[in-house]
Amino acid sequence: DVKVTQSSRYLVKRTGEKVFLECVQDMDHENMFWYRQDPGLGLRLIYFSYDVKMKEKGDIPEGYSVSREKKERFSLILESASTNQTSMYLCASSLLARDTQYFGPGTRLTVL
Amino acid sequence: ELKVEQNPLFLSMQEGKNYTIYCNYSTTSDRLYWYRQDPGKSLESLFVLLSNGAVKQEGRLMASLDTKARLSTLHITAAVHDLSATYFCAVDGETSGSRLTFGEGTQLTVNP
Repeated sequence: DVKVTQSSRYLVKRTGEKVFLECVQDMDHENMFWYRQDPGLGLRLIYFSYDVKMKEKGDIPEGYSVSREKKERFSLILESASTNQTSMYLCASSLLARDTQYFGPGTRLTVL
Repeated sequence: ELKVEQNPLFLSMQEGKNYTIYCNYSTTSDRLYWYRQDPGKSLESLFVLLSNGAVKQEGRLMASLDTKARLSTLHITAAVHDLSATYFCAVDGETSGSRLTFGEGTQLTVNP
């Protein structure tokens, strides 16, 4: 079974702090994704990566950056957290483009 | 821009009844996914529909895809309480590569 893990289930940060969210997958998947989930809005793609050191912007990349130094790990960075970034963040991975995406358990981030 | 709309967004039904969730999308696609999310948990893949006329069934859930109408349905037969969850459809536009666009989700509650 595919396993996607995220570093924290719950995180509380203060406005202006730099925040790192980590995601690791154990199935040698090429593609990794970061989404945020907000009530009434479904899931929205922030960034994705189709190879090590490669990244592409999703639908809402503003205020975020990402890093993929190793194939199994994809990090989401909030350079200066703001209250409107309070959300559930979900990481996903897929073997190839257009394959089923497998999701991690999510990190609920609260920015005060 | 690809848009994906689900209806209804909220569905309360009694055990033993049948119902259908609809997923409409705005642009050409030959691939559609259904996911389930239990409260406080991550998304679990249910079905991937790969071509026009595709039908997949598992237990009390059956999903179908009509690419000409740009419509997928998730039919629930003889609902049971364990099916209570939020159901998302997600569309992979033909030119979007790995990117999925999600619907807002349908929150299903099955009452005894």
